[in-house]
Amino acid sequence: GAGVSQSPSNKVTEKGKDVELRCDPISGHTALYWYRQSLGQGLEFLIYFQGNSAPDKSGLPSDRFSAERTGGSVSTLTIQRTQQEDSAVYLCASSLTIYEQYFGPGTRLTVT
Amino acid sequence: SQKIEQNSEALNIQEGKTATLTCNYTNYSPAYLQWYRQDPGRGPVFLLLIRENEKEKRKERLKVTFDTTLKQSLFHITASQPADSATYLCALPDRGSTLGRLYFGRGTQLTVWP
Repeated sequence: GAGVSQSPSNKVTEKGKDVELRCDPISGHTALYWYRQSLGQGLEFLIYFQGNSAPDKSGLPSDRFSAERTGGSVSTLTIQRTQQEDSAVYLCASSLTIYEQYFGPGTRLTVT
Repeated sequence: SQKIEQNSEALNIQEGKTATLTCNYTNYSPAYLQWYRQDPGRGPVFLLLIRENEKEKRKERLKVTFDTTLKQSLFHITASQPADSATYLCALPDRGSTLGRLYFGRGTQLTVWP
């Protein structure tokens, strides 16, 4: 079946612009996660959605970052007024059980 | 939070040998620990999960151990192949949690040469 998909695969934006990153999780998966991975760094948790519960936003680095999940499926991560330090690969994952998370291919964001 | 250290940023071994990767954590003992494989330009792929009450878990050529006293997990690949070359990540859930965020180590880049 189809895995987690993310779009765009690459995004180059100018400092100060807003960007939206999209994630389509595996159908039926109730949990959705956003992480980011900077060069040479580990995956950094950003936000977690579980069903209809309030999302865990504890990993968002600043109020310029926000995310929503519509209809319990597709999620959008929005970064406002992008900064150069926002450059990273943004990874989305979904899961059905407490076990493995299924990751998408990521969106590589470059802020110039 | 949790601090995770994966010893050896890079590990180079000869084909056929056993690769052993280490994951150490410093704070609370998690309910379980996971290992993922990540290839360049791709997202991580789940390999194995081991629970806190399990000492060892095997899957084909993979073996994971979990020592809650040492706060350490070892990940073994036996009869390694060049196709095993990738970055391997260990991950742990939040304290007292089985769902939600995972804390990831920075990974160990394994290269298996012929």
